[in-house]
Amino acid sequence: QVQLLQSGAELKKPGSSVKVSCKASGGTFNNFAISWVRQAPGQGLEWMGGSIPLFGTTNYAQNFQGRVTITADTSTSIAYMELSSLRSEDTAVYYCARGFGITLVKAAVGFDIWGQGTMVTVSS
Amino acid sequence: DIVLTQSPGTLSLSPGESATLSCRASQSLRSTFLAWYQQKPGQAPRLLIYGASSRATGIPDRFSGSASGTDFTLTITRLEPEDFAVYYCQQYGSSLWTFGQGTKVEIK
Repeated sequence: QVQLLQSGAELKKPGSSVKVSCKASGGTFNNFAISWVRQAPGQGLEWMGGSIPLFGTTNYAQNFQGRVTITADTSTSIAYMELSSLRSEDTAVYYCARGFGITLVKAAVGFDIWGQGTMVTVSS
Repeated sequence: DIVLTQSPGTLSLSPGESATLSCRASQSLRSTFLAWYQQKPGQAPRLLIYGASSRATGIPDRFSGSASGTDFTLTITRLEPEDFAVYYCQQYGSSLWTFGQGTKVEIK
């Protein structure tokens, strides 16, 4: 059974960057997509971006364009999400999620496995 | 971008009752890329339905999804105590995923 294991909680200063990792345990990213979703305290889910290593494609939500970088290393089965120019509004739990059922249009049909979440707190 | 609007915001029901959750898209989308998730406090979301009506692995058959044009519905029959949670719909289009704002199903 594949699990996604994320790195630990982070406390960051405004203006700095954070890099969160997500390792696939018991499987690989091959033939799957990896997305990052965040959830601010008491709020809903917000998709940040995703990558399909098989096709070498990465897409980002407009809200995060220019601030987020998502990478996936298929040799180690570790994905990373780096968010820069942090501000207090970026305080949230960040999840990685596996996208499955990759279609001919190079998109998954849903996110079937999620990491445990990484709390990122941005505070001076 | 396609906007998903979920209603109601909160649904107050008793165990054993049925729940009908709505998700309306701002424009036409492919049912292939409509999914539903359940989230409990302090937990990651769990995939319930993909392709608008296909149950994910291990999901009980009291959960069902349907589609009609730009309207998508998640139905939970015979609510169990563990079903009280927040539910999100999600869609993919133009290389982007978006979520609805969520519906909370609470115990009446």
